[in-house]
Formats: sequence, C-alpha cells, structure tokens
Amino acid sequence: DTGVSQNPRHKITKRGQNVTFRCDPISEHNRLYWYRQTLGQGPEFLTYFQNEAQLEKSRLLSDRFSAERPKGSFSTLEIQRTEQGDSAMYLCASSFLGSSGANVLTFGAGSRLTVL
Amino acid sequence: RKEVEQDPGPFNVPEGATVAFNCTYSNSASQSFFWYRQDCRKEPKLLMSVYSSGNEDGRFTAQLNRASQYISLLIRDSKLSDSATYLCVLPLYNTDKLIFGTGTRLQVFP
Repeated sequence: DTGVSQNPRHKITKRGQNVTFRCDPISEHNRLYWYRQTLGQGPEFLTYFQNEAQLEKSRLLSDRFSAERPKGSFSTLEIQRTEQGDSAMYLCASSFLGSSGANVLTFGAGSRLTVL
Repeated sequence: RKEVEQDPGPFNVPEGATVAFNCTYSNSASQSFFWYRQDCRKEPKLLMSVYSSGNEDGRFTAQLNRASQYISLLIRDSKLSDSATYLCVLPLYNTDKLIFGTGTRLQVFP
C-alpha cells in the first residue's frame, strides 16, 4: 500500500455532464475526506466518512454533489450536471483516528476537473 | 471572523533568513493544530503538529498562543527548497472536520 490513490488524475468535460472521481485510501485508515481546491485558495472541506458512514457534508455543496463509501474502503465523489464553477482540484485524504493521537491527513495527488 | 485566517503573502526572503507566519483561529475549543506544506501543483503534506508546549523539528518551530488564538510557524536559515505554500489546519469545534486556511506563500530567493 503506497498511499492514497485518486482516479482519474485529470477530467475534462462539457457543462451539464456527470463526472465521478474515485479515491482509494490507505487500507488501515478509517477516516476519508474530500476537499476541493481552486487556485490561490486552501483546500475547502466537502465531506468526510468514518468507515462507511458519512458524518458531515458541507453546506456549500449543492445537491448535485454526492459521495459514497459503500464498504468503508474506497470512496466515490459524483458531480451531476457539471457547471463551469465546478472546475477545481478535488483532493481526497485519509487518516486513522483511534482513541488517542492526532488526526493526521494523508492526501492523494488529486483529480483535476475542467468543465468547458 | 473566518474560522482560520492566514496572510496569503507572498513572503519573499533571501536564503538564510528567518521567517515567521501566523495563523489565527476563531474556535477557542480547538485542541489540535497542524501545519501542512503544499508545493506548486502538488497535494498538501504534513509539516508538523502543533502542541501546547510548542514543537521544534530542525529549522522549524511551531508555537501555540491560546490566549490570542493563533499559531505560528518559524523557519530558520531558509533554504530555496522551503519555497512552498504553508497551510494552517485545525478541527472545527469538537469535530474531526479539519479546516484549512488559505495558506501563506513563501518564496526563498538566492
């Protein structure tokens, strides 16, 4: 296991199309996070999971965004009816949060979305 | 007030200089803090955690000031390779929702 893997790395789509990103976290990690990052900004929180349970979803997200982690392993982030404003880098991160210790995130390389 | 605020910079410093960044936060209940480093077009990576007693790792020192609600990162003897964006991270209230600042960009020149 070499880290967090995200696919595809790049996606170019036309406005109105649906896109799906996949994230494979570090296998022993129980937490999985999705962030969105645009140029000159820090990562913006989208949602996170503990195992298969989605614990929180950002209020900034419209209903066009949905994320799943069906078996508590990999996760998918789907964006329906894409808009040009969805163009960004979508970052996945995982962590192991036990009874003690800090919640340290390990990020994947990201999936860059361009909506034309 | 934003949950996490950072001066976006850029901070342009010569090699060998000492530079410090601050990050202010609004949630006084935060218990854990982190500094991440992000190189251009790369993913963020953990630089160091910030403990109540402060934390030092080689040329890097992180401090926490609870009274004034800010954390700081000090870099001594700056190297060209230190050029990057430094992101402040903390959990929102008593959750594990980790919030990032906008980042402070550092450029070290020869």
